[in-house]
Amino acid sequence: NAGVTQTPKFRILKIGQSMTLQCTQDMNHNYMYWYRQDPGMGLKLIYYSVGAGITDKGEVPNGYNVSRSTTEDFPLRLELAAPSQTSVYFCASSYIGTPNTEAFFGQGTRLTVV
Amino acid sequence: AQTVTQSQPEMSVQEAETVTLSCTYDTSENNYYLFWYKQPPSRQMILVIRQEAYKQQNATENRFSVNFQKAAKSFSLKISDSQLGDTAMYFCAYGGDDKIIFGKGTRLHILP
Repeated sequence: NAGVTQTPKFRILKIGQSMTLQCTQDMNHNYMYWYRQDPGMGLKLIYYSVGAGITDKGEVPNGYNVSRSTTEDFPLRLELAAPSQTSVYFCASSYIGTPNTEAFFGQGTRLTVV
Repeated sequence: AQTVTQSQPEMSVQEAETVTLSCTYDTSENNYYLFWYKQPPSRQMILVIRQEAYKQQNATENRFSVNFQKAAKSFSLKISDSQLGDTAMYFCAYGGDDKIIFGKGTRLHILP
């Protein structure tokens, strides 16, 4: 029972490089999310998706892009990495609308931009 | 837009005491969920308790209970008989029609 799987767990990027953070879930959840967590801070919503083919911006979308071609996958793309994107990134999924609604989280990706 | 506010950045209590963490939120939706998540140093996000807005009865999970005041848009977490393993960041979260958003968190220290 894998749940939400994120890769990689750690990554160091140079300024200006690009990368994709992968996220996949096997719970058939319709909602998926990307959050970033800066040191000692809360989770800020970057992008979210309510289903395949549908994505929307959260609080801090600048510098990121997403796609949702399947129910299972929700990759986050960083173009032209900047030091301000140094953070821990969490992917999550949920099925809002049932009594057991909750967000299930991946283990996080620690990204450092130098 | 929905917002979640946690006004206590950090708290410390002695082991076995009771502690209450505060959370307020703002929304115009009628149906929603509220959550408390725990994040220990491992960074893992763990659901502590959830409350459905249409249920008037406050949710409880063992030593954890909430005080849900819908009209006041308040959702506090009470931890009874606190244990050293309760030391963690606690996040209040709001789940609406399309997304889940989090407060900034309260860092809770349980002292031996």
